[in-house]
Amino acid sequence: EDQVTQSPEALRLQEGESSSLNCSYTVSGLRGLFWYRQDPGKGPEFLFTLYSAGEEKEKERLKATLTKKESFLHITAPKPEDSATYLCAVRNTGFQKLVFGTGTRLLVSP
Amino acid sequence: DAGVIQSPRHEVTEMGQEVTLRCKLISGHNSLFWYRQTMMRGLELLIYFNNNVPIDDSGMPEDRFSAKMPNASFSTLKIQPSEPRDSAVYFCASSLNSEETQYFGPGTRLLVL
Repeated sequence: EDQVTQSPEALRLQEGESSSLNCSYTVSGLRGLFWYRQDPGKGPEFLFTLYSAGEEKEKERLKATLTKKESFLHITAPKPEDSATYLCAVRNTGFQKLVFGTGTRLLVSP
Repeated sequence: DAGVIQSPRHEVTEMGQEVTLRCKLISGHNSLFWYRQTMMRGLELLIYFNNNVPIDDSGMPEDRFSAKMPNASFSTLKIQPSEPRDSAVYFCASSLNSEETQYFGPGTRLLVL
């Protein structure tokens, strides 16, 4: 059974303090690893899709990387507006549905 | 462009009542996914459709839950009868096809008393 584990559950950073969020996964055959951002009271907002080990994608202060067992979401010099829950999900080659982790709640203080 | 539209945004009902949640897909999308999000279990897929056809309903908790796509742009999720344990946030998401990125609606927050 496909599984996604995210760590830490919660992370508090000072503005400008860079860090990384982890997403460990087990899947029979990876057909995409997805990162979403979710603000309170809203639906998840798509950030990135990664397909193969070694792939990296960037958007503003965020960079996502992928290995055969895990993905990292690196946040460089975060700002308070980066505060949100970050969700990771995987899709395997046999199925079309996404399996989500429980997320990392990020709080960036000014 | 309009995103995924869900209604109502909030629903409070009493145990035993019928609840209907509605979702309008992004124009041109042909895959529709219903999810439920709780603190304990996170985001779970309930059912998804391709071209109006249900493909996988293995996540539907029990027979009290049913979902339909009466046309290519609209879907309903019905709970009858509702129970307190159904309280959660229900999201629908649509994608260009089942392999593409899923875009989520704002969700319906359901409270069953």
